[in-house]
Amino acid sequence: EDQVTQSPEALRLQEGESSSLNCSYTVSGLRGLFWYRQDPGKGPEFLFTLYSAGEEKEKERLKATLTKKESFLHITAPKPEDSATYLCAVQAHSSGSARQLTFGSGTQLTVLP
Amino acid sequence: ETGVTQSPTHLIKTRGQQVTLRCSSQSGHNTVSWYQQALGQGPQFIFQYYREEENGRGNFPPRFSGLQFPNYSSELNVNALELDDSALYLCASSLGTSGYEQYFGPGTRLTVT
Repeated sequence: EDQVTQSPEALRLQEGESSSLNCSYTVSGLRGLFWYRQDPGKGPEFLFTLYSAGEEKEKERLKATLTKKESFLHITAPKPEDSATYLCAVQAHSSGSARQLTFGSGTQLTVLP
Repeated sequence: ETGVTQSPTHLIKTRGQQVTLRCSSQSGHNTVSWYQQALGQGPQFIFQYYREEENGRGNFPPRFSGLQFPNYSSELNVNALELDDSALYLCASSLGTSGYEQYFGPGTRLTVT
């Protein structure tokens, strides 16, 4: 069974204080790893897809990296508007033609001004 | 480009009733997936529809059913509602079964009393 574990559950940062969120996964054949941002009461907003170990992607203050067992979302000099829950999800080859996502429980990030 | 839309935004039902939730996929997308998100948890895969047929299902009972229409919009039907069905129901669209990125709608908040 595919599993995704995110840590920490919650993280409070001061504005400008860089940090990293962790996503550990167990999957029988990784097709892709996804990061989403979710604001309260809203649907997840797509951020990145990573397909193979060593891959990195960047968007503004966010950078996602991938190894064979985990992914990191690095946040550089965060601003209060970066406050949200960040979700990690995997898509496995075992899912067959249905490309369902298996999600972690998320990291709730709060950036204080 | 039109994003994923869902209706209604909020819904309150009584235990034992039936409910229908609706989703319009993003322009150009022909695959729709439905997820259930309980408070404080990541989304859980319910099922996926491609070319008007169910194309994969998660661990949800048969009282959760769906439809996809020729214009790629979709419905999620839940019969015999239970209190534990209270959640945010998310619809995600993608470009075919080979399209890895899934783009989510704003969700429907269902409360069962």
